[in-house]
Amino acid sequence: DAGITQSPRHKVTETGTPVTLRCHQTENHRYMYWYRQDPGHGLRLIHYSYGVKDTDKGEVSDGYSVSRSKTEDFLLTLESATSSQTSVYFCAIRGTEETQYFGPGTRLLVL
Amino acid sequence: EDQVTQSPEALRLQEGESSSLNCSYTVSGLRGLFWYRQDPGKGPEFLFTLYSAGEEKEKERLKATLTKKESFLHITAPKPEDSATYLCAVQAGAAGNKLTFGGGTRVLVKP
Repeated sequence: DAGITQSPRHKVTETGTPVTLRCHQTENHRYMYWYRQDPGHGLRLIHYSYGVKDTDKGEVSDGYSVSRSKTEDFLLTLESATSSQTSVYFCAIRGTEETQYFGPGTRLLVL
Repeated sequence: EDQVTQSPEALRLQEGESSSLNCSYTVSGLRGLFWYRQDPGKGPEFLFTLYSAGEEKEKERLKATLTKKESFLHITAPKPEDSATYLCAVQAGAAGNKLTFGGGTRVLVKP
């Protein structure tokens, strides 16, 4: 357990609405990541952060934005949710020896 | 572009029947190869990191090995509790410690 919590754990929303997912860590890790996991695609990186207010894009960043105003919190926002963003979202932190440790995930359904 | 391919996609084993999972990769400048275990409805759980060809690591009934083109995860005398999806990921370059994941191998061990 790397001290990572995600909220909400489950969410159902409608197409076109904004959605924000939260990742919270308790161990002061510098690097944090957002992934999505879909059948047939595996885990894919959306965005990552290497410090407060320092973020960069991953391979599937279109339609997503992130913010990190405090070390412990990394927020993922779907600006206008679409059905293609129905997925399971995982947050991760980078621990020792560059190993990433994952949170429990958020299941998002966009109707 | 970094690529990771895992085979087989699914594996059904009898309890005690040893087997191996394969992770083939193409990456420019491997920094590390990671194995994770994922149970249904949960986040990936870190198992091993391998850094160079010839390296081996063991944990209980699991042993991971690495060559220049692939990694194997050997499961010796598996038990039903070893049933899970096993994920392989590679890290290349220095930018952000990004991981590229394979699609995973679903392992079912029947008593």
